[in-house]
Amino acid sequence: DIQMTQSPSSLSASVGDRVTITCRASQSISSYLNWYQQKPGKDPKLLIYAASSLQSGVPSRFSGSGSGTDFTLTISSLQPEDFATYYCQQSYRTPFTFGPGTKVDIK
Amino acid sequence: EVQLVESGGVLVQPGGSLRLSCAASGFTFSNYWMSWVRQAPGKGLEWVANIKQDGSEKYYVDSVKGRFTISRDNAKNSLYLQMNSLRAEDTAVYYCARDRIVGVSYSFDYWGQGTLVTVSS
Repeated sequence: DIQMTQSPSSLSASVGDRVTITCRASQSISSYLNWYQQKPGKDPKLLIYAASSLQSGVPSRFSGSGSGTDFTLTISSLQPEDFATYYCQQSYRTPFTFGPGTKVDIK
Repeated sequence: EVQLVESGGVLVQPGGSLRLSCAASGFTFSNYWMSWVRQAPGKGLEWVANIKQDGSEKYYVDSVKGRFTISRDNAKNSLYLQMNSLRAEDTAVYYCARDRIVGVSYSFDYWGQGTLVTVSS
């Protein structure tokens, strides 16, 4: 199975900050990488697919980059509604696997 | 509006069985692969299984192979997960998700609200 890791596991940031989350795959997954946002008690929401494509309706302050084994999710200017947990997920092969998550909270 | 509504989650004893359902609306269900994804309390997300549009292909995570069966009824716009030989580690919120394939990209673009399965004596 392809293992996904994320760093950091949590971070504290202020509104307006630029935030970067890193995701690493245990083997090359090309661009088969998605990012999701999950708020407490809610279902996950797709933010980025194919490593860098913005899902319809997602604010442009979210962006993704990377290929192969290393990927990043960037929030250019953190907004109050962005405090949540973020997961990366590989869709290169089954079983599809998620990273352990990065919790973004208020500093 | 795309809607996915799960049901069937309850408290069940170890070794027991349960069938989860997911009612889909707002899109042509028969055109999409579908998945089940679970989340243990306070933990991360784990993909469980998916099924092709016509049910001819199914894939599972190793931890549920031989115990869980994914199925669908396109006439009823419904997805199912039959869960047998349940273990404490199967305790989780189970989400139904629509699989979206765009070119070579595969993601989960719509999710239900989840249904809680608790396995405990």
